[in-house]
Amino acid sequence: DGGITQSPKYLFRKEGQNVTLSCEQNLNHDAMYWYRQDPGQGLRLIYYSQIVNDFQKGDIAEGYSVSREKKESFPLTVTSAQKNPTAFYLCASSTVLDRYNEQFFGPGTRLTVL
Amino acid sequence: AQKITQTQPGMFVQEKEAVTLDCTYDTSDPSYGLFWYKQPSSGEMIFLIYQGSYDQQNATEGRYSLNFQKARKSANLVISASQLGDSAMYFCAMREGPLFGNEKLTFGTGTRLTIIP
Repeated sequence: DGGITQSPKYLFRKEGQNVTLSCEQNLNHDAMYWYRQDPGQGLRLIYYSQIVNDFQKGDIAEGYSVSREKKESFPLTVTSAQKNPTAFYLCASSTVLDRYNEQFFGPGTRLTVL
Repeated sequence: AQKITQTQPGMFVQEKEAVTLDCTYDTSDPSYGLFWYKQPSSGEMIFLIYQGSYDQQNATEGRYSLNFQKARKSANLVISASQLGDSAMYFCAMREGPLFGNEKLTFGTGTRLTIIP
């Protein structure tokens, strides 16, 4: 079955530690995205990548970093510079070959800073 | 100014009734697209329906339809014959620019829909 996987589902981190969230897709999509969701708010774009080895900052990139070495993978690192990292993180992908170029989402990772 | 506004934080609807979820948007770009996503308690976002700014007819997908009023900049989601499984958060989102080449989406704050048996 094609889809997007994110791991882990739940992640706990101590203050001052970097942590990496995994996102893998087997949909052969070119574009991938990372969003952050806080309670009572919509999704906010952190980073996106339209092609391997290239990515752009979204609206709230400070304190985060990404890489896109393979088409299938787009890991997100939450660094110690991120002041309030506790949130729900969603990864998505899309392709221009789909009728509406809609984004498909993974199940998410809930990050809690202790 | 907010680009996507969803004014209903929560709604309660009787099972089998129709429900309308409001969404207004703000853009000066003549080419844009509007999406509705459903987020169940599991957290995953599910794409429901899409409306392009140049589409002549309102979009429909099964029990979902989009009441697109371009002059009023509104794109309300209508769910007919609601079911218990429709209980979820619903998000309206907008892509500014043409369909291909600009995939960034701006999301509203969502509406929590609860279907009452």
